Amino acid sequence: DGGITQSPKYLFRKEGQNVTLSCEQNLNHDAMYWYRQDPGQGLRLIYYSQIVNDFQKGDIAEGYSVSREKKESFPLTVTSAQKNPTAFYLCASSLDRDHNEKLFFGSGTQLSVL
Amino acid sequence: AQSVTQLGSHVSVSEGALVLLRCNYSSSVPPYLFWYVQYPNQGLQLLLKYTSAATLVKGINGFEAEFKKSETSFHLTKPSAHMSDAAEYFCAVTPSGSARQLTFGSGTQLTVLP
Repeated sequence: DGGITQSPKYLFRKEGQNVTLSCEQNLNHDAMYWYRQDPGQGLRLIYYSQIVNDFQKGDIAEGYSVSREKKESFPLTVTSAQKNPTAFYLCASSLDRDHNEKLFFGSGTQLSVL
Repeated sequence: AQSVTQLGSHVSVSEGALVLLRCNYSSSVPPYLFWYVQYPNQGLQLLLKYTSAATLVKGINGFEAEFKKSETSFHLTKPSAHMSDAAEYFCAVTPSGSARQLTFGSGTQLTVLP
């Protein structure tokens, strides 16, 4: 089945530690996105990538980094510079980046701080 | 810049009753509007989208929404609620149809009472 796979489902971070969230898609989509979801708030865009080896900052990129070495993969690193990392992180992809896009979402990763 | 306001962070209805979830938007250009649904600990799924064709949009699972330009609204309705409709619902707007410019509302949690 085609879709987006996020792992792990739950992740715990210690103070000063970097952690990486995995996102893989087999939909052959060009565009991929990372969103952060906090309780009672909408989704906020962290980073997006429209093509391999290229990515752009979203609204809340500080404290995060990404890479896009393969079309299928878009990992997100939450660095120690992110002081409030506890949140639900969602990865998404879309086929056509500019027109009436439908986003396909993964099942998310819940990140908590120990 | 665009914004989305979802009135009512929590809505409760009885099974079989009408579901009405409210969404108002602001946009400097004709908007593209979306409703997404999120079940617990999962990603979002597209319910329906408005892209300037018909003002009444039908989606999956019996949901529909009507675009009213004069009221800047895009309310989501379903004639008869089912227990399986219990979820969080997000309205989203983009001025260009591009996903990288999507702005999400803060969400409405729908509870269906037996």
